[in-house]
Amino acid sequence: GDSVTQMEGPVTLSEEAFLTINCTYTATGYPSLFWYVQYPGEGLQLLLKATKADDKGSNKGFEATYRKETTSFHLEKGSVQVSDSAVYFCALRGAGANNLFFGTGTRLTVIP
Amino acid sequence: DADVTQTPRNRITKTGKRIMLECSQTKGHDRMYWYRQDPGLGLRLIYYSFDVKDINKGEISDGYSVSRQAQAKFSLSLESAIPNQTALYFCATRGGGDTEAFFGQGTRLTVV
Repeated sequence: GDSVTQMEGPVTLSEEAFLTINCTYTATGYPSLFWYVQYPGEGLQLLLKATKADDKGSNKGFEATYRKETTSFHLEKGSVQVSDSAVYFCALRGAGANNLFFGTGTRLTVIP
Repeated sequence: DADVTQTPRNRITKTGKRIMLECSQTKGHDRMYWYRQDPGLGLRLIYYSFDVKDINKGEISDGYSVSRQAQAKFSLSLESAIPNQTALYFCATRGGGDTEAFFGQGTRLTVV
């Protein structure tokens, strides 16, 4: 079945450091891929998405590229800020499916 | 007002009690979902509904039931709460096609 494997945390970085959170997936066909972010005390919000191979999703300085050959969708940001501290979830929705499958989440803490 | 509203936000209940968590949305979406979030496990799907007459079990539906009272309302019930149902519960909605999901702020449920 469809699944997502996400880098375990927690991750602690200094402000302005480079961020990578790894995500790989298992799915048949061509799923849509997502990164959601959960700030403290809030629900999940869509951060970015990609719907086909080689697409790059980007938002708020974050990027992720849909790599079919490596079944990956790694999240990157060149210079993190304290305000980026949150839990990040990788997710997929199978082609033609209606449900999202989530990774376990990665907690990021950025220190000044 | 939030697009997806969950009530209550926090609840402590005793083992064996019946409890209902409510969700309402103003997005006009047909698809509604209930997830639970546990540390280290990410979000897991409990039930989902594509319209008022359509209810489907997710991966962890045992011990839960749902009711889709209207397009905008989707409630989750625990008929006889047990301590391992202590978790953070999220409601989500989604439109058709390749649209994003919108999440409520969550209900923190503690069963003692």
